[in-house]
Amino acid sequence: DTGVSQDPRHKITKRGQNVTFRCDPISEHNRLYWYRQTLGQGPEFLTYFQNEAQLEKSRLLSDRFSAERPKGSFSTLEIQRTEQGDSAMYLCASRLAGTYEQYFGPGTRLTVT
Amino acid sequence: AQTVTQSQPEMSVQEAETVTLSCTYDTSESDYYLFWYKQPPSRQMILVIRQEAYKQQNATENRFSVNFQKAAKSFSLKISDSQLGDAAMYFCAYRGGSQGNLIFGKGTKLSVKP
Repeated sequence: DTGVSQDPRHKITKRGQNVTFRCDPISEHNRLYWYRQTLGQGPEFLTYFQNEAQLEKSRLLSDRFSAERPKGSFSTLEIQRTEQGDSAMYLCASRLAGTYEQYFGPGTRLTVT
Repeated sequence: AQTVTQSQPEMSVQEAETVTLSCTYDTSESDYYLFWYKQPPSRQMILVIRQEAYKQQNATENRFSVNFQKAAKSFSLKISDSQLGDAAMYFCAYRGGSQGNLIFGKGTKLSVKP
């Protein structure tokens, strides 16, 4: 069990550029979650996958955001035309259906200049 | 919509002493779960303790215990014999029975003084 991993750990981009983050969940976990955490706040839910199906999306997930989980393994979160307000920590978590605990990755810190 | 409120932005405790972190929540659901997560500086979030709403008995994990008051919608975390390694942000979180995602409070920053 190597835990949830995320790549990159840090990303600095200029406003208007596109960025993509990757999350590798714990191998047998069929549920995968994306959250966004801004300074001084708790994580906010963005979207959730069960296997390869995206089951729920928060209203926070604007049209500029898209997430995929091909083959029900790793997931990617893409932000198009980044804005300064997108600067945040993006957290990924995974869980095995029928269990309680979501295991979090270390996050990707995005800074939009 | 469900909400989670942590009214203490910061708390401080002396090493070896006991501290209680507060959390209240609002929901109309009867089936739900409550969690406390710990987020050390620059490290990933880890689960400290969980409580199922249908269980009347308060959960305990070693030095960590909760006081779950369902009618009052209160879910506080007690840390006994505080250690320097307990210093972190603590987040209270809610998950509905049919939901997958967690709803977090804003967190409480706990400092432990030697």
